[in-house]
Amino acid sequence: AQSVTQPDIHITVSEGASLELRCNYSYGATPYLFWYVQSPGQGLQLLLKYFSGDTLVQGIKGFEAEFKRSQSSFNLRKPSVHWSDAAEYFCAVGGGNNDMRFGAGTRLTVKP
Amino acid sequence: DTGVSQDPRHKITKRGQNVTFRCDPISEHNRLYWYRQTLGQGPEFLTYFQNEAQLEKSRLLSDRFSAERPKGSFSTLEIQRTEQGDSAMYLCASSIQSGLGSYNEQFFGPGTRLTVL
Repeated sequence: AQSVTQPDIHITVSEGASLELRCNYSYGATPYLFWYVQSPGQGLQLLLKYFSGDTLVQGIKGFEAEFKRSQSSFNLRKPSVHWSDAAEYFCAVGGGNNDMRFGAGTRLTVKP
Repeated sequence: DTGVSQDPRHKITKRGQNVTFRCDPISEHNRLYWYRQTLGQGPEFLTYFQNEAQLEKSRLLSDRFSAERPKGSFSTLEIQRTEQGDSAMYLCASSIQSGLGSYNEQFFGPGTRLTVL
């Protein structure tokens, strides 16, 4: 069965600094991988997804993620964080029935 | 169409009462999913429908939970005899299943926050 681990529960970065959020997955076949963002009291918004092909994927809001099969990782990056990026970030892996397994999330705080 | 909508956004109930939530998916989407999200956790898959057929149910979905999608459009999730442990955000998502083996993005609604007193 697929599973996702997000090792960092909470990360604080200064505005303008770079960001990397870690995600490790477990899945028996080629995974479908996603990053979602959730602001307080809101639903989830898709930032980016990996299905196949180029292992570096670009998303919305200046985010990118790199799929590394050898490390079973799909880390999210952003070169310069904005205060509006403060939110909860979820990594997810998709299964054969289109159901998804989410990680526990990483809460991002941005310092001015 | 403005996306997936859920109603109500918030529900407070007393233990033992029944509650029902509604989800309206994006109109052309044939798949609909329900997830539960507790505080500090990621969403957990509960069940999903393809058109009106309920194709999979998680072990999290106890006998007190029932979901329907009678006409393949909107869906309802009912919880009978609510318990305090049912307090959570219930999220609905929809997608298009465009072919065997394909995988398509799920679009999420804003969720219904349930508080059981």
